[in-house]
Amino acid sequence: GQNIDQPTEMTATEGAIVQINCTYQTSGFNGLFWYQQHAGEAPTFLSYNVLDGLEEKGRFSSFLSRSKGYSYLLLKELQMKDSASYLCAVRPVGAGSYQLTFGKGTKLSVIP
Amino acid sequence: EAQVTQNPRYLITVTGKKLTVTCSQNMNHEYMSWYRQDPGLGLRQIYYSMNVEATDKGDVPEGYKVSRKEKRNFPLILESPSPNQTSLYFCASSIAGGPNNEQFFGPGTRLTVL
Repeated sequence: GQNIDQPTEMTATEGAIVQINCTYQTSGFNGLFWYQQHAGEAPTFLSYNVLDGLEEKGRFSSFLSRSKGYSYLLLKELQMKDSASYLCAVRPVGAGSYQLTFGKGTKLSVIP
Repeated sequence: EAQVTQNPRYLITVTGKKLTVTCSQNMNHEYMSWYRQDPGLGLRQIYYSMNVEATDKGDVPEGYKVSRKEKRNFPLILESPSPNQTSLYFCASSIAGGPNNEQFFGPGTRLTVL
């Protein structure tokens, strides 16, 4: 089975840096995704990690440690439009490896 | 434009009245999936399909049916809806194979069952 934990809510200030953590316990691991979801809208892809280390993409970076079952999403130079929920999702190994199991999401509020 | 479409976007219905939510993608993706999203529970997978005529249960399949007769379409069927199926539903698709096959989501269908 899969168990994915993320903080429920976070608040950060415009222009600051925020780190959203995700821990997982899975029976197998074949990659971790981060998605952004604005209220009432569809999730959109942010990043993918399958090897340990940091993946950087503009203001967003994602880190993975497979041995620790841990990932984080780092958002720099926060903007008001970054207020959204951030979903961590794990892909298992095996026949259903195209499936994703999602965490419950972290609602980020960016304040002026 | 590459996209996943869902219809209807909003639906209010009554208990027991059969309904179908359609999902279509124009990206020639093999893999398609249905999720429901509820406050405090996150996205949970209902059913998925690896390709035409290949479907399988996700984490919460009870009360739902799906079919995959064509590659582009993956309808979700509620034979006898109940109030506990009131939720926000998302369809998603991705290519098969390759390490970074991100899922593309449709705009969502907000269903209320009275």
